[in-house]
Amino acid sequence: DGGITQSPKYLFRKEGQNVTLSCEQNLNHDAMYWYRQDPGQGLRLIYYSQIVNDFQKGDIAEGYSVSREKKESFPLTVTSAQKNPTAFYLCASSMRSLGFRAGTEDGYTFGSGTRLTVV
Amino acid sequence: GQNIDQPTEMTATEGAIVQINCTYQTSGFNGLFWYQQHAGEAPTFLSYNVLDGLEEKGRFSSFLSRSKGYSYLLLKELQMKDSASYLCAVRPNTGGFKTIFGAGTRLFVKA
Repeated sequence: DGGITQSPKYLFRKEGQNVTLSCEQNLNHDAMYWYRQDPGQGLRLIYYSQIVNDFQKGDIAEGYSVSREKKESFPLTVTSAQKNPTAFYLCASSMRSLGFRAGTEDGYTFGSGTRLTVV
Repeated sequence: GQNIDQPTEMTATEGAIVQINCTYQTSGFNGLFWYQQHAGEAPTFLSYNVLDGLEEKGRFSSFLSRSKGYSYLLLKELQMKDSASYLCAVRPNTGGFKTIFGAGTRLFVKA
């Protein structure tokens, strides 16, 4: 079955440490996204990628980095520069990254999330 | 700025009907989504509206009024498993990729 897989489910980071969150999809989707979810707030976009070897900053990119070397994979690194990394991180993918035909459903498929905690 | 508002929490009774409202202010409009998210899990797609009116899908329906910047999600014949957060999300710009999410409405279904 096609889907999007995030790992690990839980991750603990020490102060000053970089950690990488994995996101893999076999849906043949072009676009992939990373969102952060904090209690009482909507999902906030960290980075997105519309095509292999290309990615763009979202609204809260500081302290994060990504790569898109393969269509299937979009890993997120939380660097030591991210001062408040404790959150629930969601990876998503979608068929289209640009353009939108009326009447089509072009929602996201989300991974199951990674809960990152600083210890 | 761009903003999506929805109630923080709602409580309803099993078997009843509940309406979750969402208002939005965005630069342009290119579709509105509703997602369901159970605690600690990924959001799952429920519905999509791009034209005014009601879209029905089983027990769930979603309504859109673009002129009012307003949508609602209607859940009928509530079941305990419907206890979850419901996220309203808007794609603001034509041809754009970005989707703006509301903070979600936590729905509690009681027996």
